Amino acid sequence: AQSVAQPEDQVNVAEGNPLTVKCTYSVSGNPYLFWYVQYPNRGLQFLLKYITGDNLVKGSYGFEAEFNKSQTSFHLKKPSALVSDSALYFCAVRTNYGGATNKLIFGTGTLLAVQP
Amino acid sequence: GAGVSQSPSNKVTEKGKDVELRCDPISGHTALYWYRQSLGQGLEFLIYFQGNSAPDKSGLPSDRFSAERTGGSVSTLTIQRTQQEDSAVYLCASSPQTGTNTEAFFGQGTRLTVV
Repeated sequence: AQSVAQPEDQVNVAEGNPLTVKCTYSVSGNPYLFWYVQYPNRGLQFLLKYITGDNLVKGSYGFEAEFNKSQTSFHLKKPSALVSDSALYFCAVRTNYGGATNKLIFGTGTLLAVQP
Repeated sequence: GAGVSQSPSNKVTEKGKDVELRCDPISGHTALYWYRQSLGQGLEFLIYFQGNSAPDKSGLPSDRFSAERTGGSVSTLTIQRTQQEDSAVYLCASSPQTGTNTEAFFGQGTRLTVV
């Protein structure tokens, strides 16, 4: 069965510093990986996805993520954090291996807190 | 509409009552998901409708939970005999096709409180 792990409940970073939010996955077949962000009292917003091709994908608000097949990881990164980046971040995976349904499975989320 | 619409936005119900939560997906989207987000928890998958295929109900936590999708559009999630542990935000999402490379678009959710 497919699964996603976000090992950190919370990540603290100072404004202007680089940030990384970790995600690892487990699937059969090729993974399709997504990052979403949830601001307080708001719905989930799509940030970026990896389907195929370049391992480094760029998304909204200056975020990027690197797909690493050997480490089964898809960490979210940003070179310089902003206070406004403070939110809950979710990693998600789906696969189309072996006739499995295309349901999107989410990790437990990581709260990013950027201090001024 | 421009996005996924869910109603009501908030629902307070007494323990033991039935509730219905509605989701209007983005027009033309063939895939529809329901998730549950409890306080301090991640997104728990509930059910997935994919075009005309049989839905994936593997995430429904008990037989008190059911969902329908009429005409390939609007979906209703029904919780019978609600319990306090059902209190959560219920999120609906849709995506434009059944392919695996498309992202899902989320509604604002329905906050359910069982008292």
